[in-house]
Amino acid sequence: GESVGLHLPTLSVQEGDNSIINCAYSNSASDYFIWYKQESGKGPQFIIDIRSNMDKRQGQRVTVLLNKTVKHLSLQIAATQPGDSAVYFCAECSNTDKLIFGTGTRLQVFP
Amino acid sequence: DTAVSQTPKYLVTQMGNDKSIKCEQNLGHDTMYWYKQDSKKFLKIMFSYNNKELIINETVPNRFSPKSPDKAHLNLHINSLELGDSAVYFCASSPGQGREQYFGPGTRLTVT
Repeated sequence: GESVGLHLPTLSVQEGDNSIINCAYSNSASDYFIWYKQESGKGPQFIIDIRSNMDKRQGQRVTVLLNKTVKHLSLQIAATQPGDSAVYFCAECSNTDKLIFGTGTRLQVFP
Repeated sequence: DTAVSQTPKYLVTQMGNDKSIKCEQNLGHDTMYWYKQDSKKFLKIMFSYNNKELIINETVPNRFSPKSPDKAHLNLHINSLELGDSAVYFCASSPGQGREQYFGPGTRLTVT
């Protein structure tokens, strides 16, 4: 079946360092990908998205990279701050409009 | 000015009861969704509606019935609640298929 997975369940970084969260997806037909941030007790918050016709997209302090050859997605956070501490999910979408979520990576930022 | 809102935020009830969770979005979006997040944080879609019409219905027990009175609302009714229904339920909305989805704050359902 379709699945989206993450390599690291927990990532610990020092404040000011860059963070990289990885995600593998299995459905080669997926053409739209989203990264979400979920803080404790809150709903997932949209961070950035990318379509399959692109391999890189940048936002404010965040960059998403898409490698369709190996079906890999990553989220890079520059100058990680304590407020970035959360669980991060990647999600893939095909023409069914169904978002398939990964298992999530917990990002812990230490001072 | 909340975009996607859900009520209640917490719901504690006994097995066998029937309960409803309400969702409203003021974003003018055409598509709304219900997701279930289990204790391991795994998020899985349950239903989606586009302009009050059911589009996605995952393998969810018949005890779960979504109702969309208009395109700004998508409520979730659950009959004969079971212990395994305990989870956080999220409503979401989207401007359309293949677009970003915006999530509500969640409803934590605890069945005892």
